[in-house]
Amino acid sequence: EPEVTQTPSHQVTQMGQEVILRCVPISNHLYFYWYRQILGQKVEFLVSFYNNEISEKSEIFDDQFSVERPDGSNFTLKIRSTKLEDSAMYFCASSELMYNEQFFGPGTRLTVL
Amino acid sequence: KNEVEQSPQNLTAQEGEFITINCSYSVGISALHWLQQHPGGGIVSLFMLSSGKKKHGRLIATINIQEKHSSLHITASHPRDSAVYICAVLPLPNTGNQFYFGTGTSLTVIP
Repeated sequence: EPEVTQTPSHQVTQMGQEVILRCVPISNHLYFYWYRQILGQKVEFLVSFYNNEISEKSEIFDDQFSVERPDGSNFTLKIRSTKLEDSAMYFCASSELMYNEQFFGPGTRLTVL
Repeated sequence: KNEVEQSPQNLTAQEGEFITINCSYSVGISALHWLQQHPGGGIVSLFMLSSGKKKHGRLIATINIQEKHSSLHITASHPRDSAVYICAVLPLPNTGNQFYFGTGTSLTVIP
């Protein structure tokens, strides 16, 4: 069964460093998403992406964040200058069409020291 | 403000029990997602529904759009059902795909 994959599973970085989180969505899906979950808190929407551009973003998704689909399979989330409060689990998801069921990857745990 | 409330927050059940988890929300929605988060953190989609009822194996999800309420039922619960169950809603009007998530219900099924 096709699934969303994410790498790395755990990333440790120093405050102020740039990180890139990678996702491979399900191949025939057209919509891609990033969510984050700070430990002990609810899942929060960051951004949705369609047709090589951002279709919606939340207040959390400020200028420190960017997303890209560099090739036909990968979908990346970049944090330019990490802060301590960026420590969280980051989930990628994809859906075939807008408003369809979303399928989640296993997550990347980001720890900022 | 899009509030999604789940109850109970924590639930412990004996193996075999029938379990109900509730989700209430404050705004009109076009769809509701039930998700399962495993102890390791991974999230699995269980159902997405906009009306009526859906069934998959021992899981049943219902939604009442007028009452702004959904329930997730697990029949004949098993220890492997132990997880956090999360409700997420897609509010109207549909300007995008921004789901709003509840805080989750932590279920423990004891053998």
